[in-house]
Amino acid sequence: EAGVAQSPRYKIIEKRQSVAFWCNPISGHATLYWYQQILGQGPKLLIQFQNNGVVDDSQLPKDRFSAERLKGVDSTLKIQPAKLEDSAVYLCASSSRLAGGRYNEQFFGPGTRLTVL
Amino acid sequence: QKEVEQDPGPLSVPEGAIVSLNCTYSNSAFQYFMWYRQYSRKGPELLMYTYSSGNKEDGRFTAQVDKSSKYISLFIRDSQPSDSATYLCAMSATTGGYNKLIFGAGTRLAVHP
Repeated sequence: EAGVAQSPRYKIIEKRQSVAFWCNPISGHATLYWYQQILGQGPKLLIQFQNNGVVDDSQLPKDRFSAERLKGVDSTLKIQPAKLEDSAVYLCASSSRLAGGRYNEQFFGPGTRLTVL
Repeated sequence: QKEVEQDPGPLSVPEGAIVSLNCTYSNSAFQYFMWYRQYSRKGPELLMYTYSSGNKEDGRFTAQVDKSSKYISLFIRDSQPSDSATYLCAMSATTGGYNKLIFGAGTRLAVHP
């Protein structure tokens, strides 16, 4: 079974530029997550999709960040314009829906390391 | 106060040592308690999860949850250099079929031969 794919793996941009990250979840996983992991911190959820609908975007800085999952499969996260404090690893994860109350494991991709200069 | 507190370390131990990693939390609604391992430049991978209080063992790894104290632990026996990684605790409360993970800051562990 292929894992969560992300691209690019690394990106360096200057502040005020825009950038986009792409994620392809595990086949059949309806739930997709974008996390931001700043150096020395744990991942923080930015947005969660169930199929192509948003479940939780309470921590997404909506003035500069946007995300979409138009066909309920792959997803794109965009930052425009970028700030210095956006330097972080952006992780994508996916999971299947809960079944029988069992915890549904989130599988993470390798992340995109963004450096904003 | 953060919802999940975790000592960032770093922790350096000799091969074969017993390692103890801990997290505390403040939200009593958390039901699932996870430990993720993250190697350098990789995404986190689930190591173990526990539902509610109790112990769970998997090979050299034991997870403990004490909901009364809001305290969770991960023990690694006979630690190996390959265990060198950042260990993230994570917790969630399931609502409407979804679970939102809240992560600790992660503890960096180095096991030296």
